[in-house]
Amino acid sequence: NAGVTQTPKFQVLKTGQSMTLQCAQDMNHEYMSWYRQDPGMGLRLIHYSVGAGITDQGEVPNGYNVSRSTTEDFPLRLLSAAPSQTSVYFCASSREWSGINEQFFGPGTRLTVL
Amino acid sequence: EDKVVQSPLSLVVHEGDTVTLNCSYEVTNFRSLLWYKQEKKAPTFLFMLTSSGIEKKSGRLSSILDKKELFSILNITATQTGDSAVYLCAVDRSTGTASKLTFGTGTRLQVTL
Repeated sequence: NAGVTQTPKFQVLKTGQSMTLQCAQDMNHEYMSWYRQDPGMGLRLIHYSVGAGITDQGEVPNGYNVSRSTTEDFPLRLLSAAPSQTSVYFCASSREWSGINEQFFGPGTRLTVL
Repeated sequence: EDKVVQSPLSLVVHEGDTVTLNCSYEVTNFRSLLWYKQEKKAPTFLFMLTSSGIEKKSGRLSSILDKKELFSILNITATQTGDSAVYLCAVDRSTGTASKLTFGTGTRLQVTL
């Protein structure tokens, strides 16, 4: 199993550009989520999904869109990039709650918005 | 507002020392508390705690949860340079089948020779 994969690893955007961060998992996990990690702020939840076709907002959803058309993929879209979105983005997946809810994290995407 | 606070923010110890990392929380709908180790890239899972007073152990690492006082500790004995990392505490806030993790800012541990 590849686990959770993310592409690209690094990206530089100009203000106003749009892009999609890709996330895929091959563990047949129902639950997937996106976090951003900023210095001194810890990891913050952006959006999450409990299954194909179902998404919901986390703590910091503004400026981001998600969709979940398949169990495997959970892309994160930046509609109009802003410097405040410079961050490291992590995708994670886990089984639905059944007493164990270990989240597996992808390697991260480092995004810089100029 | 849900919050998770970790202390200390950072510490430097000598190899062989024992360290205790702290995590306190105030959240609604507590489901579990998780500890992660983050080196250069993605966080890696260490422990999940759901019940008070039951210690979880993995080698030199151990952790315990106090749901009455709303905190957890992570102990590392006989530290090694490979333990140098940021240790993250997260609380899973139950919302039915959808879990949400609220993370603390982490404790940066540096183990020197």
